[in-house]
Amino acid sequence: ILNVEQSPQSLHVQEGDSTNFTCSFPSSNFYALHWYRWETAKSPEALFVMTLNGDEKKKGRISATLNTKEGYSYLYIKGSQPEDSATYLCAFSGAGSYQLTFGKGTKLSVIP
Amino acid sequence: DGGITQSPKYLFRKEGQNVTLSCEQNLNHDAMYWYRQDPGQGLRLIYYSQIVNDFQKGDIAEGYSVSREKKESFPLTVTSAQKNPTAFYLCASSIDLASGDYNEQFFGPGTRLTVL
Repeated sequence: ILNVEQSPQSLHVQEGDSTNFTCSFPSSNFYALHWYRWETAKSPEALFVMTLNGDEKKKGRISATLNTKEGYSYLYIKGSQPEDSATYLCAFSGAGSYQLTFGKGTKLSVIP
Repeated sequence: DGGITQSPKYLFRKEGQNVTLSCEQNLNHDAMYWYRQDPGQGLRLIYYSQIVNDFQKGDIAEGYSVSREKKESFPLTVTSAQKNPTAFYLCASSIDLASGDYNEQFFGPGTRLTVL
């Protein structure tokens, strides 16, 4: 069974603060790393699909980086807003597999 | 609107009864998946199907069964053999891996099953 770890498990930040969290995954047989955002009472929503070592992707105030050689990805949120409150999931996809292996998620709460 | 629907949102059953959770997609995706979420755990794969009339066990298939008679539908049956059926169940779909979308999956809103 593949091991995908996310840290921290949860965090609380003040509105306007920037924050980041980590996803670590197996560095061998890498195909893609996915980030999802899951708001309460909604479906998980895809944020980024990252495939190349050194990839950096950005969507508004949210960005992500990827290091496949050492097996980690960072998700950054600049100037957190209350609407950023959600659980952020990362998922590892290995070469030749249809499966995604998910981490347990990081639950972010942004305090107004 | 294209998307994935799961019904019902909440489901209650007595212990020992089989129950079927519905998942429908109109995204024309080939692959469909069922996940289970428990408190403090990541999403765990129960079953997946790459194409109609074919499906594969995931990491925690024991006590579950599925069918894939139509491309748009992938119902999950939680049988009485499942020891701890109370959980949140998510269905997802994706385009065939060969299309190059890196297996990005699209999720339904989930069904919370409580077995009394």
